[in-house]
Order: sequence, then structure tokens, then C-alpha cells
Amino acid sequence: AQRVTQPEKLLSVFKGAPVELKCNYSYSGSPELFWYVQYSRQRLQLLLRHISRESIKGFTADLNKGETSFHLKKPFAQEEDSAMYYCALSPYNNNDMRFGAGTRLTVKP
Amino acid sequence: DTGVSQDPRHKITKRGQNVTFRCDPISEHNRLYWYRQTLGQGPEFLTYFQNEAQLEKSRLLSDRFSAERPKGSFSTLEIQRTEQGDSAMYLCASSLLGVGTGLFFGQGTRLTVV
Repeated sequence: AQRVTQPEKLLSVFKGAPVELKCNYSYSGSPELFWYVQYSRQRLQLLLRHISRESIKGFTADLNKGETSFHLKKPFAQEEDSAMYYCALSPYNNNDMRFGAGTRLTVKP
Repeated sequence: DTGVSQDPRHKITKRGQNVTFRCDPISEHNRLYWYRQTLGQGPEFLTYFQNEAQLEKSRLLSDRFSAERPKGSFSTLEIQRTEQGDSAMYLCASSLLGVGTGLFFGQGTRLTVV
């Protein structure tokens, strides 16, 4: 079965510093990978999809099949990026989407 | 708000009582999912529907849990004979059928079993 690991429960950086939230997965096929974000008192929402290779709010994520990783990066963190971030994997078509335990990012002024 | 809506937002119940939650998905979405989230964990998959058909159920979904989506629109999740271990946030999400579209979540129903 697929598994998603986010090794850091907490991550704290200063405003303007680069940030990288780590995500590793185990799955034998070619999965669909996602990052979701939950800001304080808001619902969980989709941030990025690997399939679209997009940059959202300055965040990017590259799928590395060799290292089975999908780390989320931003070159210059902003205070409004403070939130809970979840990496997720689906074998296909949003089926059986599994989430990591999440990383709480705090961006300090 | 045209997003996914869940009702109620909070529910406190006594152990042994039955509870029912409702989810209204985004109207054009044919997929509907139920997840459970406990403190310090990511959402855990419970079950999902494509239109009115329940296509998959997690082993987490014991026989005390039942979900329905009778007309392919809203869904209900019922928990019978609640236990303290059922205390969690229950999340509903919806999506279109398609590769890499992702899920759209509701705000959740927080269940507390006392």
C-alpha cells in the first residue's frame, strides 16, 4: 500500500528565508502527488499538483522518482505562509488518496 | 459559498448514541469522499462514492459506520453506538473524475464522544 512520510512535524524559518518541506513516498507505480495547505481556521485546500508543474503563491514542488520525493519549496518565505502543509498521494484519478501527517510551518518576522 | 459544506460543524454526544453527519459536495462533482482526522495526524481515508455508488471502503470503516449518497448528490455518514475512540474531525471532500484534479474539502464536523 502507498505511504506518505513527512519527516518534520514542525518547521520554523524567518521571513525572506528559503523554505523546503520534505515529503517522501512509497509506491511501486507512478502516483499522482499533491500538496495541500490548511491556514488557521480555514479548510484544507489544494495547493499544488505535480501533474500541472505549476507555481502557486511562489511554491513549487518537483517529483523525484529516483528518490521517491516530492519536496515543497519556496525561495523567500512570507509570514502569510505560516500554515499546516500536507503531502498526499493517489495511485490514480484521486482514488485512495493518502496523506502524510503534516508539517506545521511557522514564518517568523 | 459554493464549496463543500458539512453539517453540523460540531457534535457532542454520549457514548453509545448514534450520530449522523451530512455533506453537500460542489454541485458538478461526481466523486465524494469521507476522511477522518485525529490530532497530529493527516486525514485518513474512510470511503468514497462515484455518483451514488460506494466504490471503496477503508478497513477503518467498522460495521458501526455507514455512508450513503442516495441520489448522487449529498452524502450522510452515520456512526452507531459511538465510542470515545470515534472522537475526531470528520472531513468530506469532493472532486471531478479525472487525473490529478485533487480534492476539495469541507470545513469538517468535529465529533466529541463523552
